Amino acid sequence: SQQGEEDPQALSIQEGENATMNCSYKTSINNLQWYRQNSGRGLVHLILIRSNEREKHSGRLRVTLDTSKKSSSLLITASRAADTASYFCATDAGSGNTGKLIFGQGTTLQVKP
Amino acid sequence: DTAVSQTPKYLVTQMGNDKSIKCEQNLGHDTMYWYKQDSKKFLKIMFSYNNKELIINETVPNRFSPKSPDKAHLNLHINSLELGDSAVYFCASMTGVEETQYFGPGTRLLVL
Repeated sequence: SQQGEEDPQALSIQEGENATMNCSYKTSINNLQWYRQNSGRGLVHLILIRSNEREKHSGRLRVTLDTSKKSSSLLITASRAADTASYFCATDAGSGNTGKLIFGQGTTLQVKP
Repeated sequence: DTAVSQTPKYLVTQMGNDKSIKCEQNLGHDTMYWYKQDSKKFLKIMFSYNNKELIINETVPNRFSPKSPDKAHLNLHINSLELGDSAVYFCASMTGVEETQYFGPGTRLLVL
């Protein structure tokens, strides 16, 4: 069964607003990652949070992790039209050192100028 | 100086044909992956090689055969293509130190 599930599936906001995306997963993890995919392109890594971390920041990105609820959220502050993309969470599902990632189905974000 | 490259970018072919997709990374990474992304954007791992050795082999039809001639290359050969094989196939690579993966631009396969 799919490990990561994301919510909402689609999000449309105005430039300057904040965007929050949520991800839930089922099994224990060592880390959780967020990736961005622009239309017609490959995925780009945004941020990794380890299972012993609760919050992590990178520029306008803020990621939280709640292992008791098996959930994570990605907050993009002061969004820009260039943030329009699909965002995916991915977990290692405790896969050891194979690097096997299990992806959620993604949130499609549209930022209107 | 593309980090992970794939060829071809687009592939349109008839059912029953055999085709190959090639992937190369110039990052010096030890591990490479193939993923399939369906029309609903669901991304699923198919195979992984570490230094030319197969380490992940998900439940994939045996019509799909990966080959890694060296650690910088991972190719995917598909026999007897079916309509359901239509998807975007992504190659990715990873070092043994970082846990993040670097993705190629994808190969859009359409089987008619």
